[in-house]
Amino acid sequence: EAQVTQNPRYLITVTGKKLTVTCSQNMNHEYMSWYRQDPGLGLRQIYYSMNVEVTDKGDVPEGYKVSRKEKRNFPLILESPSPNQTSLYFCASASWGDTQYFGPGTRLTVL
Amino acid sequence: DAKTTQPTSMDCAEGRAANLPCNHSTISGNEYVYWYRQIHSQGPQYIIHGLKNNETNEMASLIITEDRKSSTLILPHATLRDTAVYYCIVRGTTGANNLFFGTGTRLTVIP
Repeated sequence: EAQVTQNPRYLITVTGKKLTVTCSQNMNHEYMSWYRQDPGLGLRQIYYSMNVEVTDKGDVPEGYKVSRKEKRNFPLILESPSPNQTSLYFCASASWGDTQYFGPGTRLTVL
Repeated sequence: DAKTTQPTSMDCAEGRAANLPCNHSTISGNEYVYWYRQIHSQGPQYIIHGLKNNETNEMASLIITEDRKSSTLILPHATLRDTAVYYCIVRGTTGANNLFFGTGTRLTVIP
């Protein structure tokens, strides 16, 4: 089944403790992206990648890192999480120029 | 990419057609109109897209005005499972697959 998976789905952590949210797709898509969603603000793009070893900042990249060493994986790294990064995170993938497929989301709480 | 304007919320009776409008008056000639929806806090789901001709698939129909400055998403027989936030997005065909999500229209299907 074609899908985008994210892990973990739920995470509660403390300020400053590094964490990684994984994203994997099995559709051989070139494009992958991370969004965060906060009440009243809709989805905002954090980072995106147009192919392996190619990443770019989205609208809200501060406090986040990404890497794209393999085509199928696009992990989101929070080196020193802060409470304002408490949010619902979505990963998405797409073939070039095609529609995006979204993962199920990761709900992160930073205390 | 052109910005879009949608009503904040709409109600629709179960079994009736739901017509969701979207204004995109600054759309340019090579930009497509995309519709996604998000049910509760799940990942956004692609519905349909079009350039200038009307489009129909198993989920919905998309009607684009002749001047392309507005469009309407039609769910022909709304069910309770169609209750969701619907996003109208305008995106070009060049560059990255990036999507700009506004705040969308919250559609509530009423029994």
